[in-house]
Amino acid sequence: GQSLEQPSEVTAVEGAIVQINCTYQTSGFYGLSWYQQHDGGAPTFLSYNALDGLEETGRFSSFLSRSDSYGYLLLQELQMKDSASYFCAVPLYNQGGKLIFGQGTELSVKP
Amino acid sequence: EAGVTQFPSHSVIEKGQTVTLRCDPISGHDNLYWYRRVMGKEIKFLLHFVKESKQDESGMPNNRFLAERTGGTYSTLKVQPAELEDSGVYFCASSQDIGRNEQFFGPGTRLTVL
Repeated sequence: GQSLEQPSEVTAVEGAIVQINCTYQTSGFYGLSWYQQHDGGAPTFLSYNALDGLEETGRFSSFLSRSDSYGYLLLQELQMKDSASYFCAVPLYNQGGKLIFGQGTELSVKP
Repeated sequence: EAGVTQFPSHSVIEKGQTVTLRCDPISGHDNLYWYRRVMGKEIKFLLHFVKESKQDESGMPNNRFLAERTGGTYSTLKVQPAELEDSGVYFCASSQDIGRNEQFFGPGTRLTVL
């Protein structure tokens, strides 16, 4: 089967750094995506890693290790507005590009 | 550029009733996907259109669900008759090409079946 595992919730304080881990088991792996969803809103794309290593985009970075079937999203200089749900997802390009999602990690940023 | 829109934002119906959800993808996006999130669980794929053709409906739960995309523009997802376990948030997403890394999601329709 296809599965992605991530923690259900994480709490951190403003200004801190938080890492959200994701381990995956899928057939036909091309890369790992991350999406952010604020309460009641649309999931929005954050990043995609096709190759091993760390990719940085502003305060957010995403990492992939294909050999370990593992990735993470790193959020730095946390702000209150970062409180949201974060989903790791695998796009299956050999199956029309559909996304397989993890259960989501609810991040709460406290003052 | 307008984003993906969905209507209605919320729907509360009784078991046995029919509900139709609508999705308007970003103009020019041939690929349209439907997903569903049942409370506390992962977002699950339902089906994929390329223009007006169903490419993959392997995620559709059963034959009470019917999706259409006439003319290759907007799509509808009908649930008839609705059951309690159909409650959840239904998301629509679109993309220009399958190989694009990003799918653009709508805000979802929250369906509650009583």
